[in-house]
Amino acid sequence: ELKVEQNPLFLSMQEGKNYTIYCNYSTTSDRLYWYRQDPGKSLESLFVLLSNGAVKQEGRLMASLDTKARLSTLHITAAVHDLSATYFCARGTSYDKVIFGPGTSLSVIP
Amino acid sequence: GAGVSQSPSNKVTEKGKDVELRCDPISGHTALYWYRQSLGQGLEFLIYFQGNSAPDKSGLPSDRFSAERTGGSVSTLTIQRTQQEDSAVYLCASSFRDDTQYFGPGTRLTVL
Repeated sequence: ELKVEQNPLFLSMQEGKNYTIYCNYSTTSDRLYWYRQDPGKSLESLFVLLSNGAVKQEGRLMASLDTKARLSTLHITAAVHDLSATYFCARGTSYDKVIFGPGTSLSVIP
Repeated sequence: GAGVSQSPSNKVTEKGKDVELRCDPISGHTALYWYRQSLGQGLEFLIYFQGNSAPDKSGLPSDRFSAERTGGSVSTLTIQRTQQEDSAVYLCASSFRDDTQYFGPGTRLTVL
């Protein structure tokens, strides 16, 4: 069964702290996507990871991909309130539709 | 350039009425997705169009839901005989093949 799981589903973290969101997927994938959704808004793309060992960083967010473990991580460094949002990972292939995870709701508190 | 647009942005309808939601994808994008998102929930996949291939309708919740994509561009999602449980935000996204999806702003549907 095609499945994408995220852990944790809800995360409350203090400003300045580090944390990692995990994304596991059940079948091989050509690419792994990370999206952000602010409350009441649509989704916007953060990263696309194309190969094993790929790492991408923007600001306080860093995403990585381990295709052998079927695992992607989104690491948050020194969190700030502006990062409060829901983060979705999604698995893509060239031959089938993209499958989204359930999302991780992140709340950064002072 | 222009992003994905959806119309209307908000739709309030009475139970039992039919509604049509429209999605204008980014020009040249071959793939188009419809999703549904209830308040505080994740994305529920509805339907996927890819080029000239037959659409993947596996996510449509009932036969009251249908969608078409004309000329490989604009798509319309139709919900017949709306029910209160159809109330949600309907999101459309497009991509070039399996590249990053670009999402529209969504249509908020309220069924009274």
